[in-house]
Amino acid sequence: DAGVIQSPRHEVTEMGQEVTLRCKPISGHDYLFWYRQTMMRGLELLIYFNNNVPIDDSGMPEDRFSAKMPNASFSTLKIQPSEPRDSAVYFCASSPAAGGADTQYFGPGTRLTVL
Amino acid sequence: QKEVEQNSGPLSVPEGAIASLNCTYSDRGSQSFFWYRQYSGKSPELIMSIYSNGDKEDGRFTAQLNKASQYVSLLIRDSQPSDSATYLCAVNLSNDYKLSFGAGTTVTVRA
Repeated sequence: DAGVIQSPRHEVTEMGQEVTLRCKPISGHDYLFWYRQTMMRGLELLIYFNNNVPIDDSGMPEDRFSAKMPNASFSTLKIQPSEPRDSAVYFCASSPAAGGADTQYFGPGTRLTVL
Repeated sequence: QKEVEQNSGPLSVPEGAIASLNCTYSDRGSQSFFWYRQYSGKSPELIMSIYSNGDKEDGRFTAQLNKASQYVSLLIRDSQPSDSATYLCAVNLSNDYKLSFGAGTTVTVRA
């Protein structure tokens, strides 16, 4: 089975540009999570969805960040405008609905560098 | 106080030794506990989950949970160089599928 798929794997952009990160969860998983990992702050949950509906976005740092899940197999995290402090590795993870819904499987991540 | 705290590293152990990793959490109502392994430049990989007090063994890994003390640990027996990684403790603090992660403990196994 394919795992969680993220694209791009690496993104380098300039301050002020729009950045869109993409995620395809594991087929059949009802939960999707977006995380950010930095050396200073560790792994932080930004937002998570259940059945394509955003459940908790309390971790989204500010209005420059937005996330959507238009269908069960695709989600985007958008940063507009981007700033150097947004440089981090962004992970997408998914979970099944039953039997360990809090057991999360991570994608390979997108390493974002904002110059 | 952080929600999930891990013992500070890095932890260096000789090959064949036992590596002991500790984690404490703040929410007494937490029900689910996980250990993830993260190799440098890679994504976190689930290696253990534990839900009940006591020990849970899986190969060379043993997770221990003590809810009264709000403490969870991971033992790695017969440590191998391939175990060199950062180990993240994760706790489901409020049973709403959100995980809170500790800062991680980096383990280096010396050949």
